[in-house]
Amino acid sequence: SQTIHQWPATLVQPVGSPLSLECTVEGTSNPNLYWYRQAAGRGLQLLFYSVGIGQISSEVPQNLSASRPQDRQFILSSKKLLLSDSGFYLCAWTIDEKLFFGSGTQLSVL
Amino acid sequence: GEDVEQSLFLSVREGDSSVINCTYTDSSSTYLYWYKQEPGAGLQLLTYIFSNMDMKQDQRLTVLLNKKDKHLSLRIADTQTGDSAIYFCAESMYNAGNMLTFGGGTRLMVKP
Repeated sequence: SQTIHQWPATLVQPVGSPLSLECTVEGTSNPNLYWYRQAAGRGLQLLFYSVGIGQISSEVPQNLSASRPQDRQFILSSKKLLLSDSGFYLCAWTIDEKLFFGSGTQLSVL
Repeated sequence: GEDVEQSLFLSVREGDSSVINCTYTDSSSTYLYWYKQEPGAGLQLLTYIFSNMDMKQDQRLTVLLNKKDKHLSLRIADTQTGDSAIYFCAESMYNAGNMLTFGGGTRLMVKP
């Protein structure tokens, strides 16, 4: 079966520290992968999407970056976190035009 | 451009029906979706409807689509306390690579 794994579930980081969030999928090959952010009480903002290894499209300018080193691995990174990077980060993938989400990472930057 | 709008909040009593509404602006939508998000969790795909359909029913859920008015609704029959969550509508557009645009979410509170 097809599943998506995202970790960690929660993360507390100081301002200026680096970030690495990882997402992996199982049960399929060459999926479209996405990173979304949800600020508290707000809707979803698409950050990055990838249609294949090494192919990353950025939807918003920011101090975050994404990489796809393997077909089923999608990583969200930052060299120096800002307070405004706090939020709920969701990895997602598409199957047959339907978008499925991971369980999310709650990031608090203090 | 695309824009998806939802009301922020809905409160109903247990056992009543809930109707969550959504409006969108792009007429080239291919699919429209409803997602449910419980506290601290990811979004769960509840149901979806293809843009050439008017209605889709799935157990307690009924989706109605009015393409002329660009209006989508989700009706939950016999609402239960476990239905309390944030509900997001979303649209995908073929000419945008099937990317989804989400509404801001409607928080449904079910009172016992």
